[in-house]
Amino acid sequence: QVRLQESGPGLVKPSETLSLTCTVSGGSVSDYYWTWIRQPPGKGLEWLGDIFYSGSTNYNPSLKSRVTISLDTSQNQFSLMLTSVTAADTAVYYCTAVLRGVIDYWGQGTLVTVSS
Amino acid sequence: QSMLRQPPSVSGAPGQRVTISCTGSSSDIGAGYDVNWYQQLPGAAPKLLIYGNSNRPSGVPDRFSGSKSGTSASLAITGLQAEDEADYHCQSYDSRLSGYVFGTGTKVTVL
Repeated sequence: QVRLQESGPGLVKPSETLSLTCTVSGGSVSDYYWTWIRQPPGKGLEWLGDIFYSGSTNYNPSLKSRVTISLDTSQNQFSLMLTSVTAADTAVYYCTAVLRGVIDYWGQGTLVTVSS
Repeated sequence: QSMLRQPPSVSGAPGQRVTISCTGSSSDIGAGYDVNWYQQLPGAAPKLLIYGNSNRPSGVPDRFSGSKSGTSASLAITGLQAEDEADYHCQSYDSRLSGYVFGTGTKVTVL
């Protein structure tokens, strides 16, 4: 049973960088694609991007210039960085584990608010 | 943002059957990519409900069923129960995005 836990600031100022970390337990980092998904308040889900244990990444084209996902296999963690944030980036951010296109495991989610 | 289309809400009385549609295009569902469904209870993270169009993970009641045809998919809930009141999201892969695409989400209300 894979467990995922997001951590990071809940408040980020406009134009600054959003940084979140997901700690993985109960599973091997080589087994899944590690993926970030977000959900603005009252809205649907949006795939941000993913990383495989080889280090290969794939990003949503709508965010590609602003998003970076990295993996630290020694710490069993993967991270999200989103630069130049605006109020439109306010959302609950989920870290997830994806296998063959299926999101098998979700973190509990963390609300990040962009506000001065 | 490219999204699959779902009705904003559906409702039914306890015991009734409700269905939720998920409409895509030739670059996602219509291209042959599988559809998965997730249930999101109030205040919680989504949870896998149906995978590979019509398969239920262990522990999901057989009241939930999924199907796919052409550029669309459907989720059916038979014998609706109060605990089924939640948001439901479909998900597939989009070849134009080279990534995952979600539905707009449907709120199920048990009358």
